[in-house]
Amino acid sequence: ILNVEQSPQSLHVQEGDSTNFTCSFPSSNFYALHWYRWETAKSPEALFVMTLNGDEKKKGRISATLNTKEGYSYLYIKGSQPEDSATYLCAFWCGGADGLTFGKGTHLIIQP
Amino acid sequence: DVKVTQSSRYLVKRTGEKVFLECVQDMDHENMFWYRQDPGLGLRLIYFSYDVKMKEKGDIPEGYSVSREKKERFSLILESASTNQTSMYLCASNSFRTGVNHYGYTFGSGTRLTVV
Repeated sequence: ILNVEQSPQSLHVQEGDSTNFTCSFPSSNFYALHWYRWETAKSPEALFVMTLNGDEKKKGRISATLNTKEGYSYLYIKGSQPEDSATYLCAFWCGGADGLTFGKGTHLIIQP
Repeated sequence: DVKVTQSSRYLVKRTGEKVFLECVQDMDHENMFWYRQDPGLGLRLIYFSYDVKMKEKGDIPEGYSVSREKKERFSLILESASTNQTSMYLCASNSFRTGVNHYGYTFGSGTRLTVV
């Protein structure tokens, strides 16, 4: 079983502050790294799919970076808003038919 | 425009009952997956299927079976429900054509199952 670690497990951030969190994954057999946002009572929603070392992706105030050689990815949120409150999942794909291996998630709470 | 539909949002069943969780997708995806999510454990793969009538065990298949008679439908079956199967169950799908390395999974909204 592959080891995908996310830290921190949970995070409280003041509205307007910026924040970031980490996903670490095996540096061998890398095919793709995904980030998902999972809001309460909703379906997990794909944010980014990253495949190349050094990739940087951006969607509004959220961005992500990827380092496949050392096996980590960072997710950044700039100017946090209450609607950013969610669990953020990263998932690693090594090319197998069984698809993605998920981390346990970072639970983000934005405090007004 | 709901694309992956899970039949029930909440379900309460008794120990020993046979339970069916249904998942339907309308995107013509070949791959379908069943996960369970438990606090502190994250999403764990139960079973997956990459074609009609094909099924493969994931990391935690014990106590579960699946059925994929049609491309759009992937059913998870708890043969004899037990209290340790109380969990949130998520169905997901994606396509070979677009690939796991280009597009994310599309998830259903989950079924919270309680076994009493």
